[in-house]
Amino acid sequence: DAGITQSPRYKITETGRQVTLMCHQTWSHSYMFWYRQDLGHGLRLIYYSAAADITDKGEVPDGYVVSRSKTENFPLTLESATRSQTSVYFCASRQADSPLHFGNGTRLTVT
Amino acid sequence: GENVEQHPSTLSVQEGDSAVIKCTYSDSASNYFPWYKQELGKRPQLIIDIRSNVGEKKDQRIAVTLNKTAKHFSLHITETQPEDSAVYFCAASKGYQKVTFGIGTKLQVIP
Repeated sequence: DAGITQSPRYKITETGRQVTLMCHQTWSHSYMFWYRQDLGHGLRLIYYSAAADITDKGEVPDGYVVSRSKTENFPLTLESATRSQTSVYFCASRQADSPLHFGNGTRLTVT
Repeated sequence: GENVEQHPSTLSVQEGDSAVIKCTYSDSASNYFPWYKQELGKRPQLIIDIRSNVGEKKDQRIAVTLNKTAKHFSLHITETQPEDSAVYFCAASKGYQKVTFGIGTKLQVIP
């Protein structure tokens, strides 16, 4: 679905650097989510947002910051990247009572 | 919060046989149970979902069953084909809120 896009697709960064992963959706969905995917852990929720300016922690929020000033954008920032944050990050969105739609993911490597 | 357990973690079947993946959830208030399929290097995509007011749902070769009393739900794939090989995730959600995923099942269909 072209309705939700993530950028970049791949990113390599160094320990301690700040990095921002972008997520943009064109459906005007109220709810947006950030998940990380790691082998053996499935998809774990980092942060989610029910609407612009409303965000809440998920299962693994430490080391991450989000914002949602506009309904269509939900950036995820790693303030000081660590090797344990090497992962595949998926953004997703849904409207009330509809399925979750995922973006194509960002593969992040922290060296 | 919600906890979703999924098993088996890996499953190999001969082409044409059936495959069953089972999940349990902890929050009795959860009322929406989607299943996602993720092919290698791709994003998770919804294949079927079920709501708590329904006990079973079918879509061609795929079916999902829900036992609310036991807090179990299962995915059944009949007449498996090589293109069914992928990682399958179960999930649970309460209302329009965050979706909690199981750790995934890697299904291999052997031709």
